[in-house]
Amino acid sequence: DAGVIQSPRHEVTEMGQEVTLRCKPISGHNSLFWYRQTMMRGLELLIYFNNNVPIDDSGMPEDRFSAKMPNASFSTLKIQPSEPRDSAVYFCASSLGGPGNTIYFGEGSWLTVV
Amino acid sequence: AQTVTQSQPEMSVQEAETVTLSCTYDTSESNYYLFWYKQPPSRQMILVIRQEAYKQQNATENRFSVNFQKAAKSFSLKISDSQLGDTAMYFCARGNNNDMRFGAGTRLTVKP
Repeated sequence: DAGVIQSPRHEVTEMGQEVTLRCKPISGHNSLFWYRQTMMRGLELLIYFNNNVPIDDSGMPEDRFSAKMPNASFSTLKIQPSEPRDSAVYFCASSLGGPGNTIYFGEGSWLTVV
Repeated sequence: AQTVTQSQPEMSVQEAETVTLSCTYDTSESNYYLFWYKQPPSRQMILVIRQEAYKQQNATENRFSVNFQKAAKSFSLKISDSQLGDTAMYFCARGNNNDMRFGAGTRLTVKP
């Protein structure tokens, strides 16, 4: 079975550019999560969708970040404009039934903003 | 915010020995789940073990077991017969109906 699929795996971009990270959750899962991991702040929950609806976006750092889930099999996390402090590994994860159930992670998107 | 605390930033253990990683958590929910995830250098997040809070029996998964103390809100991970491949970051996590929170992680090094 295919796991959570993220793209791109690695991206290097210049400050001010728009960045779009993509995620395909495990088929049948109805919850999707975006996490950001940095050395300084560890693993932070950015946003959580349930049945394609954003439930908790309190972790989204600022208005430069936005996330969408237009259907059950696709989500995007967009940063516009990007800044060097956005450099991190961004993980997408999915689960069946909500955060209390086992979350399965993608391999992460490594973002470097120069 | 309801938090998850891992008080040991780094630990090391000799190959074949046993090591215990600590975790405490905070929650106001009566029903929740606890997890340990492993993150090797590849950065992939891998589920190690899962515990349902309403179950008193401690979860076990081969060489991995937990000591779940609900009243103390403690959830430690014991790794028996440590192997070199166990070298990784280990994250404790607490999930309930509303969210899933992770601790800061413990970096475990298994020495030959």
